[in-house]
Amino acid sequence: KQEVTQIPAALSVPEGENLVLNCSFTDSAIYNLQWFRQDPGKGLTSLLLIQSSQREQTSGRLNASLDKSSGRSTLYIAASQPGDSATYLCAVRPTGDYKLSFGAGTTVTVRA
Amino acid sequence: SQTIHQWPATLVQPVGSPLSLECTVEGTSNPNLYWYRQAAGRGLQLLFYSVGIGQISSEVPQNLSASRPQDRQFILSSKKLLLSDSGFYLCAWSLDHRYTDTQYFGPGTRLTVL
Repeated sequence: KQEVTQIPAALSVPEGENLVLNCSFTDSAIYNLQWFRQDPGKGLTSLLLIQSSQREQTSGRLNASLDKSSGRSTLYIAASQPGDSATYLCAVRPTGDYKLSFGAGTTVTVRA
Repeated sequence: SQTIHQWPATLVQPVGSPLSLECTVEGTSNPNLYWYRQAAGRGLQLLFYSVGIGQISSEVPQNLSASRPQDRQFILSSKKLLLSDSGFYLCAWSLDHRYTDTQYFGPGTRLTVL
């Protein structure tokens, strides 16, 4: 069974600092990995999707890397802003399946 | 563009009462549909998914059920709620079976069972 772990569970940084969020998964047989953002009491918004054959994806200040063999992904957020405060979740889609396995998330607070 | 709706946004129900949560998707046809539950401090747990009208798969044993009476409508139900049914319920859709596709989530329903 795929287990997805996100460390740290919570993170607080001053505005302008770069953020590094980690995600690890136990089974490297995945089709893709996704990063989502969730604001308090809201649904999830997809940020980046990395195919299993890719090493990284970028969107604006966000960059996500994937090392499938070691079961790790990292989400980098450059020059953080208070508006980046949210919970970030990673999810993996196993090979041969379309169901996602989610981590518990990292809650980020960016202090102005 | 595609949009996904869920209602109600919040719900407080007594133990033993029935439940009906609704999810509808606009702007696409024949989507895969999903019901998730999110408990505090934990990841999302997939409850049900559907690949077509009347086709429902259950991921975990529970006292909840799901139905898909129309192509873009997904309903989560219970005949008698338990305290453990409290949580944040999210509906999601994806285009098809392609493994590279993403899932798009609705705004969620906060359910409190007292």
